[in-house]
Amino acid sequence: DIVLTQTPLSSPVTLGQPASISCRSRQSLVHSDGNTYLSWLQQRPGQPPRLLIYKISNRFSGVPDRFSGSGAGTDFTLKISRVEAEDVGVYYCMQATQFPYTFGQGTKLEIK
Amino acid sequence: EVQLVESGGGLVQPGGSLRLSCAASGFTFRSYAMSWVRQAPGKGLEWVSAIGSGASTYYTDSVKGRFTISRDNSKNTLYLQMNGLRVGDTAIYYCAKEPGTGGAFDLWGQGTMVTVSS
Repeated sequence: DIVLTQTPLSSPVTLGQPASISCRSRQSLVHSDGNTYLSWLQQRPGQPPRLLIYKISNRFSGVPDRFSGSGAGTDFTLKISRVEAEDVGVYYCMQATQFPYTFGQGTKLEIK
Repeated sequence: EVQLVESGGGLVQPGGSLRLSCAASGFTFRSYAMSWVRQAPGKGLEWVSAIGSGASTYYTDSVKGRFTISRDNSKNTLYLQMNGLRVGDTAIYYCAKEPGTGGAFDLWGQGTMVTVSS
């Protein structure tokens, strides 16, 4: 199974300041079709997860442009340019390059 | 409205069975791969099973031989038959849809709670 390791696991951030979450895989997430199926999800308290970013850097419909994704191969990053109160929650990276699909442990974003 | 609505959760004793359903609406259900993802209380997300648009199926090792995923495209419904339930299967079970290009979950249901306890 592909193990995804997120850092940090907790991120206290001041409103209006940037935040960054890293996701590292022990093996390449490049699929045989050439795509890298690494996505980022947000889970607000008491809510189901919501897709933010797919295929490393593609922002999903309706996602604010303060969210961005980058990376390649085994190292990926989610950045929030200016954290807002509504961004509080847990963020997960997920790989769908290979079954079983796997998730990172989650990073809890909270406001200082 | 594009949505997924799960049902069928509840309290069951170890060794028991449950069948979860996920009713899809607002999109052409038969055209998309679907998955079940679970979340134990206070824990992270765990992918459980997937079914392709062509009905190929995939499972995480811990549920192989106990859970069966299926779909009824005429009813726009996804199912998860869970047999031999264990305490460790206690979780919120979400159904999730993949986009046409695959590789992510672009639509999630609200989830249904499964509790396995004596």
